[in-house]
Amino acid sequence: DTGVSQDPRHKITKRGQNVTFRCDPISEHNRLYWYRQTLGQGPEFLTYFQNEAQLEKSRLLSDRFSAERPKGSFSTLEIQRTEQGDSAMYLCASSSIKAQETQYFGPGTRLLVL
Amino acid sequence: DQQVKQNSPSLSVQEGRISILNCDYTNSMFDYFLWYKKYPAEGPTFLISISSIKDKNEDGRFTVFLNKSAKHLSLHIVPSQPGDSAVYFCAASLSGGYQKVTFGIGTKLQVIP
Repeated sequence: DTGVSQDPRHKITKRGQNVTFRCDPISEHNRLYWYRQTLGQGPEFLTYFQNEAQLEKSRLLSDRFSAERPKGSFSTLEIQRTEQGDSAMYLCASSSIKAQETQYFGPGTRLLVL
Repeated sequence: DQQVKQNSPSLSVQEGRISILNCDYTNSMFDYFLWYKKYPAEGPTFLISISSIKDKNEDGRFTVFLNKSAKHLSLHIVPSQPGDSAVYFCAASLSGGYQKVTFGIGTKLQVIP
């Protein structure tokens, strides 16, 4: 399977703990995006990478959130000192230079903060 | 501030009939539009897209229509099949730059056998 993969698929944590999610994009895609989806809403943009450079961050991405893509391949999203309001589905997407308008999504990581 | 609006939270259609999902947008700068389908516990799956230079795009049973003057687009599914039952998200982006995609809240389609 050469689609976007995300790990873990589910994460339950206690408030105040740190969590880290991983995304592996489609191999030839140089653009990688993180979105967050809460119940009853569409995905909301969090941040975007072109290769290893993080080019845009949404105001939704508080200072407790950090994302990296160190080698321009996989990416990690870390949430420090989690809060109950962080409970959501975290989606990763990627796109290629040739078809940059179309983003392909992974299965998501569902986070529950207790 | 919902820039992409899907005003129908749900839609039920008989198998074999046409499903029409509607979407409105407010940002006149949007020039690329996409539809995604989402099953429970999965990420959105790209379905079909349309550039603002076109008013129609077809792919098999799926057709997207764009009315720029009305800032309205619709997705037609003909004929509808039970496997089409899912949540459909309308999305829009700006060409150039990094194509941040703005999503609507989705319409849940149920196709009744």
